[in-house]
Amino acid sequence: DAKTTQPNSMESNEEEPVHLPCNHSTISGTDYIHWYRQLPSQGPEYVIHGLTSNVNNRMASLAIAEDRKSSTLILHRATLRDAAVYYCILTVHSGGGADGLTFGKGTHLIIQP
Amino acid sequence: DVKVTQSSRYLVKRTGEKVFLECVQDMDHENMFWYRQDPGLGLRLIYFSYDVKMKEKGDIPEGYSVSREKKERFSLILESASTNQTSMYLCASSFVGSYQPQHFGDGTRLSIL
Repeated sequence: DAKTTQPNSMESNEEEPVHLPCNHSTISGTDYIHWYRQLPSQGPEYVIHGLTSNVNNRMASLAIAEDRKSSTLILHRATLRDAAVYYCILTVHSGGGADGLTFGKGTHLIIQP
Repeated sequence: DVKVTQSSRYLVKRTGEKVFLECVQDMDHENMFWYRQDPGLGLRLIYFSYDVKMKEKGDIPEGYSVSREKKERFSLILESASTNQTSMYLCASSFVGSYQPQHFGDGTRLSIL
């Protein structure tokens, strides 16, 4: 399975943008890049996913490098509620079936007021 | 918004009891999943289902069974609970396709005494 590498932790200030990096140098052409986050004592929450182009939704933006070997999750204006562990994972593009998710250690994002 | 509801946030049971964990989703998703999450071990897939009455074993199915009689409901059964099944249990659902995002419930923290 293609692996991802993320920093163990990052710190940012409230109301500032946050850029969370993820390296996936062994990504294959059919792998999607997904981001999830998990707040304390809650289940994981889907954030965003993409294949090649940059993606935006109401929660965040995903910037994907041209060679797809890295990506960055962008929180445009962090709030205290964004403090969580953020997981970057790769999933195979498959029209059918299902696969279980495997989370690495993720990045523990700390937001300072 | 997608809603995945797990029947209990906290549950305490005794060794040898038969335990039922229920999960309901409201998005007409074909796929449903049961995971457990333990410190240091991350997220591990127990079972998943891609259709009513269909199920597939995940990575750690021993000691568990599942039931999916209706599309929106997926039940996890601990046939004879043991202390090593004390864990956080997470239910998720998604549309068909390994690349589709999974949406999680808030989890059930199960303690077996």
